[in-house]
Amino acid sequence: EAGVAQSPRYKIIEKRQSVAFWCNPISGHATLYWYQQILGQGPKLLIQFQNNGVVDDSQLPKDRFSAERLKGVDSTLKIQPAKLEDSAVYLCASSLAARGGEQYFGPGTRLTVT
Amino acid sequence: GQSLEQPSEVTAVEGAIVQINCTYQTSGFYGLSWYQQHDGGAPTFLSYNALDGLEETGRFSSFLSRSDSYGYLLLQELQMKDSASYFCAVNSGGYQKVTFGTGTKLQVIP
Repeated sequence: EAGVAQSPRYKIIEKRQSVAFWCNPISGHATLYWYQQILGQGPKLLIQFQNNGVVDDSQLPKDRFSAERLKGVDSTLKIQPAKLEDSAVYLCASSLAARGGEQYFGPGTRLTVT
Repeated sequence: GQSLEQPSEVTAVEGAIVQINCTYQTSGFYGLSWYQQHDGGAPTFLSYNALDGLEETGRFSSFLSRSDSYGYLLLQELQMKDSASYFCAVNSGGYQKVTFGTGTKLQVIP
């Protein structure tokens, strides 16, 4: 069974530029999550999708971050414009359903904003 | 909102047993999960407790007390490869939003 795929793995941009991350969850997983993990901290949930609908985006900085999940499968997360404090690893995870606790994480995208 | 507390660092000897505690405050609690993350890697799922008691999976066990808002991860027969960060996470709310703790960095020494 293929795992959660993410691209790119690394990205370096200057502040005020834009960037997009892509995630392909495990086939059949209805729930998809985007997390931001700053070095030395736990993952922070940015947005949670159930199929292609948003069920939680309370911690998403909506003035600069946006995300979509088309057809309930792949998802993209965009930052525009980026700030220095956005430097972090962006993790995508999926689960069969919201219930049960077990999430499968992709390898993440390490973003550096200079 | 949700809050979780766990020790920031723990050091233990290879072959020994270590317990990592987690206390939480949340509304609409469903369950407590544990994840392992090696440096530079992604979190991997270890266990999930929805009910009080102990769940055992090989060398790892996880415990939950809902009345005390407390849980722990127990690692037995420690191996060097167990050196990693361990996160507790609560599932809460209608769609079981997951909130992670700040993590415990475990160092296993010879």
